[in-house]
Order: sequence, then C-alpha cells, then structure tokens
Amino acid sequence: EPEVTQTPSHQVTQMGQEVILRCVPISNHLYFYWYRQILGQKVEFLVSFYNNEISEKSEIFDDQFSVERPDGSNFTLKIRSTKLEDSAMYFCASSESRITEAFFGQGTRLTVV
Amino acid sequence: QQQVKQSPQSLIVQKGGISIINCAYENTAFDYFPWYQQFPGKGPALLIAIRPDVSEKKEGRFTISFNKSAKQFSLHIMDSQPGDSATYFCAASGASGTYKYIFGTGTRLKVLA
Repeated sequence: EPEVTQTPSHQVTQMGQEVILRCVPISNHLYFYWYRQILGQKVEFLVSFYNNEISEKSEIFDDQFSVERPDGSNFTLKIRSTKLEDSAMYFCASSESRITEAFFGQGTRLTVV
Repeated sequence: QQQVKQSPQSLIVQKGGISIINCAYENTAFDYFPWYQQFPGKGPALLIAIRPDVSEKKEGRFTISFNKSAKQFSLHIMDSQPGDSATYFCAASGASGTYKYIFGTGTRLKVLA
C-alpha cells in the first residue's frame, strides 16, 4: 500500500539552527501539506502546496518557515532559525485532489534544545 | 468559526463495549468530516469519513453519525477491543474553499481487556 514517508524520524537541533524535514508523498498525489503536533495537543495545519506554490498557510507558518518541492518526489519543510517552541511532531500529508482524503506520514519529532 | 470541539478528552471502555466520541462545529461551509486514529509515536491514520449529504456511514465496527442541523458528528466503535486503544481525532474541511483539515483536540481511548 502506498504511503507517505518522512525523514528523519527524530531530529535534535540547537536553538537558532536551520533544519530541513523531508517527505516523499504518495506518487500520484498532487496536494501536499505540513501539519504539526505539539506533545499532547491537537494536530495543527501549517501549509498546503499545489502546483509548485503555497496554496494556503496558517499564522504559525511565518517567515522562518518555507516549503519546497525540489524534484519530482520530495517535499521539504525548512525552519531557518529554530526556536524552543518549534519542538513538535511534524507531519507531512498528501492527497490526490482537494476533496479526497489526506494520508499522513509517520512524522518527524523535532526537538530544539 | 473554524474550531472543531471534541469530547470527551479521554474515555475508558470495557472490551466489547461501545465507544462514542462526539464532535461539534460552527462553520456550515465544512463539507468533509474525517476521523483519524493515532497510536503513540505514529502519524494519524484515516479511519472513516463522511460528507454532509448522508446521516450515517458504517465501515466494519466503526460508524459515523452526522447531524447537519445540530452541526454535530460522532464516531461509534462497536465491540471495542484493546487494540482500539489510541487517540482519535475528528476533523473538518472544505470551508471557504480551502481544504486544510481543522482537527479536534483528540480523545484518548483506552479499552480494558
């Protein structure tokens, strides 16, 4: 069964450092998303991406965040200068269209120290 | 208006019992309501979803009941099993032409053997 894969599974980084979280969406999917989940809290939307551009972003997704689809398979989330409060589980998701279900990856646990 | 309220926060059910989780929304423009199951350290996995043109959808032991006039929907897990112990999130999408998911706060279900 096709799945969304994310790497790394766990990333520890120093405050102020840049991190790149990587995702390989399901191959025939066209819509890509990043969500985050702070420990014990609900899943929050960060950004959606379609046709090589951001289609929507939340207020969490400020200038420190960026997304990119550098090739035909990867989808990345970059945090330029990490803060302690960026520590969370980050989930990548993809969907075939805007109205079909989104499939989530296993997540990357980001710990900022 | 973009919130989805979920209750209860936690639920303990005996094996074989019925687990019921409720969600309520305010924005009548939402038109897709998925339920996700999440095990510790894993990504959310789609369980079942419903659109507002039907009042109920059943898949195996899982049923969504949808009350459009009350703006409420619920997940029923029949014959609950210890393997169902997980966190369940309801979500809504489709408001204002956007397709991001707005998640509820989650329900931690524990099914006692």
